[in-house]
Amino acid sequence: AQSVAQPEDQVNVAEGNPLTVKCTYSVSGNPYLFWYVQYPNRGLQFLLKYITGDNLVKGSYGFEAEFNKSQTSFHLKKPSALVSDSALYFCAVRDASLTGANNLFFGTGTRLTVIP
Amino acid sequence: GAGVSQSPRYKVAKRGQDVALRCDPISGHVSLFWYQQALGQGPEFLTYFQNEAQLDKSGLPSDRFFAERPEGSVSTLKIQRTQQEDSAVYLCASNRAGMNTEAFFGQGTRLTVV
Repeated sequence: AQSVAQPEDQVNVAEGNPLTVKCTYSVSGNPYLFWYVQYPNRGLQFLLKYITGDNLVKGSYGFEAEFNKSQTSFHLKKPSALVSDSALYFCAVRDASLTGANNLFFGTGTRLTVIP
Repeated sequence: GAGVSQSPRYKVAKRGQDVALRCDPISGHVSLFWYQQALGQGPEFLTYFQNEAQLDKSGLPSDRFFAERPEGSVSTLKIQRTQQEDSAVYLCASNRAGMNTEAFFGQGTRLTVV
């Protein structure tokens, strides 16, 4: 079975400080991992993905995420937070070993608030 | 258009009414997904199409939910005899072939059943 856990419902960070949004996953095979961001009344926007290769992946708007296989984690990070980063963030996983299982499994989301 | 387009953006239905939600995926995307997002929750998978074939409908919550994609492009999610628990945002997503490709989401349809 596939699952994603985002242990923090809410993360607050001061503008200019580094931010981390946590994600852990569970799959039977190898994971394909994704981060999406959702602004109010908007659809989910793709930020970045890990498929294979370098464990540190870089994405849109200065975000990056680190894949850690031993800890089954894929935490989202940014060195310096902006007020405009305030939004709802979702981690998602696909199990690469399941043929035809193309759908994503999402976490429950983490609301990031960047304080001016 | 450049992105995934969903209509209507908002729908209010009386309990027992049938509704139809439309999704226009990105041109050329073979895979199309429907998700349901309840308030304060992450999206939950409903069904998946590859071209016109519905390959997975394991997430549809009841037989009142039906989806189709007859020509492999536009898709419609139909909910019959709506119930209050059907109130949610319904998201459509599409992607190119391949499990390593990212899905692109529409803005969603917010369904409220009163």
